[in-house]
Amino acid sequence: RKEVEQDPGPFNVPEGATVAFNCTYSNSASQSFFWYRQDCRKEPKLLMSVYSSGNEDGRFTAQLNRASQYISLLIRDSKLSDSATYLCVVNDGTSYGKLTFGQGTILTVHP
Amino acid sequence: ETGVTQSPTHLIKTRGQQVTLRCSSQSGHNTVSWYQQALGQGPQFIFQYYREEENGRGNFPPRFSGLQFPNYSSELNVNALELDDSALYLCASSPPGTSYSEQFFGPGTRLTVL
Repeated sequence: RKEVEQDPGPFNVPEGATVAFNCTYSNSASQSFFWYRQDCRKEPKLLMSVYSSGNEDGRFTAQLNRASQYISLLIRDSKLSDSATYLCVVNDGTSYGKLTFGQGTILTVHP
Repeated sequence: ETGVTQSPTHLIKTRGQQVTLRCSSQSGHNTVSWYQQALGQGPQFIFQYYREEENGRGNFPPRFSGLQFPNYSSELNVNALELDDSALYLCASSPPGTSYSEQFFGPGTRLTVL
């Protein structure tokens, strides 16, 4: 079983749509959780951290369920510029803070 | 504030050769991690350097080695290159005392092994 699993997609949605990505992780000792965004042939960039209480940043909402070891990302009112790969990322709780990435979910927003 | 920089941008090598990739961490960041990202996959942790010593290692063979210098910059060395080593190599830095925080990535070095 992979340490962090995501549906690779691709997701093709029209502008204005709401899209949700899901992710599960296997290490119950994981300490922190993130969504990164990666544009084609570029480096990953932090989109948002994910907190147990859930958190929102504009059109983006992240949720964490530690009991189910499940993380989600909701994007509302999709824009063309949201087209990218979304990476679910878990910090495994070791002293050195190794990041474990999911495979990534490809999102294409079309006009 | 200068972000994470990596060199070279692209590199082509042949099987069996050796390669050295370089990374300068973001200002004030003393920890550097290296990741390998194969096409269509998420990045995989290779190792991390802190205070010039390897601080943690992923599931990579010993032919992957590294260094960190007093100015916190780092090198990744790969010996006896194999075709499967073709990938994007990403360096990420993080500030002191933030083991569980996000890491900041450089633009990567794209390595092609022929």
